[in-house]
Amino acid sequence: EADIYQTPRYLVIGTGKKITLECSQTMGHDKMYWYQQDPGMELHLIHYSYGVNSTEKGDLSSESTVSRIRTEHFPLTLESARPSHTSQYLCASSVTGGPGGELFFGEGSRLTVL
Amino acid sequence: AQRVTQPEKLLSVFKGAPVELKCNYSYSGSPELFWYVQYSRQRLQLLLRHISRESIKGFTADLNKGETSFHLKKPFAQEEDSAMYYCALTQANTGFQKLVFGTGTRLLVSP
Repeated sequence: EADIYQTPRYLVIGTGKKITLECSQTMGHDKMYWYQQDPGMELHLIHYSYGVNSTEKGDLSSESTVSRIRTEHFPLTLESARPSHTSQYLCASSVTGGPGGELFFGEGSRLTVL
Repeated sequence: AQRVTQPEKLLSVFKGAPVELKCNYSYSGSPELFWYVQYSRQRLQLLLRHISRESIKGFTADLNKGETSFHLKKPFAQEEDSAMYYCALTQANTGFQKLVFGTGTRLLVSP
């Protein structure tokens, strides 16, 4: 079934640990995005990619990094987690030529750094 | 700078009452506006886009460029409309859907 998957859904980790949030989509979409959302706040775009080996930083500065080696996979990595990284991270995808503005979101990864 | 403002964090109405979720934006170019919705325990999903001029689940939204608003309206609210609603914009005629979101409004429809 065509979908977009995020793992883990919830992660509690200590300061200084390296973490990777996984995002995979089986929708055949070329564009993928990472948004960050703190409780009660707006979603902020932190990374996006319009294809393999193409990544760009979003509007909100983030210490995380991303890679796009395969079309369907867009992982986000924090080399050394800090409490300020505690947030919800939403992955999304869209297709070139599709109806404008339609992003397909995953269920999100809620990260807590102690 | 692009900005989307949703002034109400919570809107509580009774079933059958009219609903209006407010959205104002600031954007120097020509924007495209959208409403996204997140029902309880579901993912964020597109509800409607202004260029389609569509009515989805009884909801409509009209882009008012003079007032820079894109309010979401429904004449008779239903309990199943209870959800989190986000207004969003992107630059028109771009192939890249980088959306800017508002902070969202929680709609609670009581029986």
